[in-house]
Amino acid sequence: DTEVTQTPKHLVMGMTNKKSLKCEQHMGHRAMYWYKQKAKKPPELMFVYSYEKLSINESVPSRFSPECPNSSLLNLHLHALQPEDSALYLCASSQWFQSYNEQFFGPGTRLTVL
Amino acid sequence: TQLLEQSPQFLSIQEGENLTVYCNSSSVFSSLQWYRQEPGEGPVLLVTVVTGGEVKKLKRLTFQFGDARKDSSLHITAAQPGDTGLYLCAGSLSGAGSYQLTFGKGTKLSVIP
Repeated sequence: DTEVTQTPKHLVMGMTNKKSLKCEQHMGHRAMYWYKQKAKKPPELMFVYSYEKLSINESVPSRFSPECPNSSLLNLHLHALQPEDSALYLCASSQWFQSYNEQFFGPGTRLTVL
Repeated sequence: TQLLEQSPQFLSIQEGENLTVYCNSSSVFSSLQWYRQEPGEGPVLLVTVVTGGEVKKLKRLTFQFGDARKDSSLHITAAQPGDTGLYLCAGSLSGAGSYQLTFGKGTKLSVIP
């Protein structure tokens, strides 16, 4: 099973709302990632978790708050977002101890901030 | 500075034609992945190449990793409309943290029936 699932598929929120994006994988991967992708651009790394601990925060604004409750789940909590945060949010996972980094992506959540 | 130069950016061809997409760098990569992405969906992993000079085939798709592990190509034979999509190359830099993927800007392929 090489599947990463994400919910919801689409999300529309106002700038004062609080919402969460969810990601799940059952491949036994110990690294999980959040990416942001704008139209016609490659994905941009936001956060990396390894063994449920935050390893990398690529200078992401605090209105994005990641959480890794266990080795299979990854959440992204959203609060007070701006319209420019509208994008496709992608979750990915990989093994951590490989000499190379083969990441598997979920289908994404299309976020629109009004 | 774009570490992975992907070309061409756009490609529109007729069904049945062949095409090649290139991914080039001056840096050495420990591995390189190719993904295909449809609009509004996540990238789907097509292949991972790790050995210099490696060639992998996936039906009508042929992937090659350069001998020096600085470049890669994707060749599609007899393209079909179902091949339409955004093709992304992404690599792990040698000596860099294992978490980081460097992406090319992508090649948007349209195969016209």
